[in-house]
Amino acid sequence: SQQGEEDPQALSIQEGENATMNCSYKTSINNLQWYRQNSGRGLVHLILIRSNEREKHSGRLRVTLDTSKKSSSLLITASRAADTASYFCATDKGSNYQLIWGAGTKLIIKP
Amino acid sequence: EPEVTQTPSHQVTQMGQEVILRCVPISNHLYFYWYRQILGQKVEFLVSFYNNEISEKSEIFDDQFSVERPDGSNFTLKIRSTKLEDSAMYFCASTAQTGELFFGEGSRLTVL
Repeated sequence: SQQGEEDPQALSIQEGENATMNCSYKTSINNLQWYRQNSGRGLVHLILIRSNEREKHSGRLRVTLDTSKKSSSLLITASRAADTASYFCATDKGSNYQLIWGAGTKLIIKP
Repeated sequence: EPEVTQTPSHQVTQMGQEVILRCVPISNHLYFYWYRQILGQKVEFLVSFYNNEISEKSEIFDDQFSVERPDGSNFTLKIRSTKLEDSAMYFCASTAQTGELFFGEGSRLTVL
């Protein structure tokens, strides 16, 4: 089954605004992670939230997890042009740390 | 900061040729992975490797694919007879059981 579906598929905002991306998944998870990918580059880990956590912060990033709704959100506050990238959620079912990925949200920050 | 390194960054090959993609995971990590990403599409799991053997593999990872850790540092992905649809970005990743995966910059494979 499809796991980790992000929405929106694309998001374009002005620099300084907040960006919110959502992720839904279908099966139970051990943790959920968010990664960033600049165009043509590798995947960079941003934040990991465990299934028993509801909210986590890291700098300008805030992640929430609602296991009852099987959904997560990533909020980037005070966006910068350098935040322009694709953002992926990935779920870990607890099997060899294998991740299942969503299709990603392409975020464009306009200066 | 330790990082996962991958070579080559880009390889162009003819259909039917064998390709070997190389990765050097972070030295104290125990779990190793290959993922691929077809241009513009989602990241797909290929295989996980632990304790010198495959721990899990996806449907994509058929008999044409193999992995090896020949010398305790390198982790290779071999595609025996490439097909056009193997064209993708291949990512190697490793983890130290924290759950956080560290990815290399990827190897872009173009099959003509």
